[in-house]
Parts: sequence; C-alpha cells; structure tokens
Amino acid sequence: DVQMTQSPSSLSASIGDRVTITCRSRQSISTFLNWYQQKAGMAPNLLIFGASNLRSGVPSRFSGSGSGTDFTLTISSLQPDDSATYYCQQSYSTSRTFGQGTTLEI
Amino acid sequence: EVQLEESGGGLVKPGGSLRLSCSGSGFTFNSYNMNWVRQAPGKGLEWVSSISSGSDFIQYADSVKGRFTISRDYAKPSLYLQMTSLRAEDTAVYYCAREGVVPAAADFYYYYMDVWGKGTTVSVSS
Repeated sequence: DVQMTQSPSSLSASIGDRVTITCRSRQSISTFLNWYQQKAGMAPNLLIFGASNLRSGVPSRFSGSGSGTDFTLTISSLQPDDSATYYCQQSYSTSRTFGQGTTLEI
Repeated sequence: EVQLEESGGGLVKPGGSLRLSCSGSGFTFNSYNMNWVRQAPGKGLEWVSSISSGSDFIQYADSVKGRFTISRDYAKPSLYLQMTSLRAEDTAVYYCAREGVVPAAADFYYYYMDVWGKGTTVSVSS
C-alpha cells in the first residue's frame, strides 16, 4: 500500500492567515492526489483532485500543488468556516489510502 | 440532487456479521465505481473497499480482506458491504462514496470520491 503522511497533525491559525498543509507519499504518485475537508460530525467533502484541480464550487482561497511525493494544500486567507480536519488521499494505487489528517483550529 | 444513503449499521457482538447497504439518487448509480470508507471514533479516514462499475475489479484493505465482501445489485441499484468475523476494531462510521473520474492524460485518469453519504454506525462490542 502507498503510505501517506501529513504534517502538521494539528495547527491553530487566525482569520486572514495563509496556511499550508503538507502531504508526503512513500513512493511517487505523480499527481494522483486528492484533498478533502471534513467538518465535525459530517461526511468528508472533496476540495481538490489531481493535486491542483479545484473542484467546482470550492472557494478559490483553496489551492493545491505538488507532484511525485510532496504535495501541499494552501488556504490563502483563512475564514471561520475553514475550521475542519483536512485529509489527503492517493488514487495512484487501486488500494486507496488517506493521510492521517490535519486538524485546523481557527 | 445527487445523494447517497447508507443503512444497516448497528450493535453486534465480536465474531458476528452485519450487512451494510448504500443507495443513490440523482445520478446513474450503476455507471460509477463505488467505495466504502470508515472512520473509527476520534480517528481518521480509512479506505475499506472499492468495486468497479461492472463489478469486475474489487479491492480490499488488508485490515478487512477475507472478512468483508463488497457487492452491488444493478436492479435496485445498490451497494453492499457484507461484514463477517467482526472485531472491536471494526467499530466505526461507515461511509459509501462515489468515485468520480476525469481524464488526466493519455490513458490516465484522475479518480476522486466526490459524493459521500452521511454514514452508518457500526459498533462491535460484547
């Protein structure tokens, strides 16, 4: 299985801050990397697919980058609604795997 | 509106069995690959199993291989997860998730879980 590791595990930031979350894969996965947001008590929601493609309807303050083994999710200007846990997930292998999650507190 | 809805969760004793179901609306359910993803209390997301639109390609996480069986019924249409030999560590909220796809490059596609149900809770305890 392709192991995914996120950092940090948690972070605290303020409204208007720029925040970056990192995801690393143990092997190269090209750009087959997705990002999800999960708010407390709710199902996950897709934000970005293919490492950098913003899903329709997702605010443009979210962006993704990276390829190979290193990826980042950036929130350019934090809003109160962004308080959530964020997960990366690889779709390179047919055995899908998620990172352990990054909890963002605002 | 595109929706998924899980059902079938409950309390079961260790070693017991349970069958989860997932139905969809607002889209052509049979045309999509589908996944089961679970989340233990206070923990992160864990992919469990996936099945292709034609049921010709099925994958399981190592943690459930040999105990869980994914299937789909094209007439209903529905997705199922038959869980046997349940353990305490199988306690979780189980989500079904649709797998969307777009072309990435020649012969390559981006797959992503773009529609999720609200989840059904499975508790394994004596």
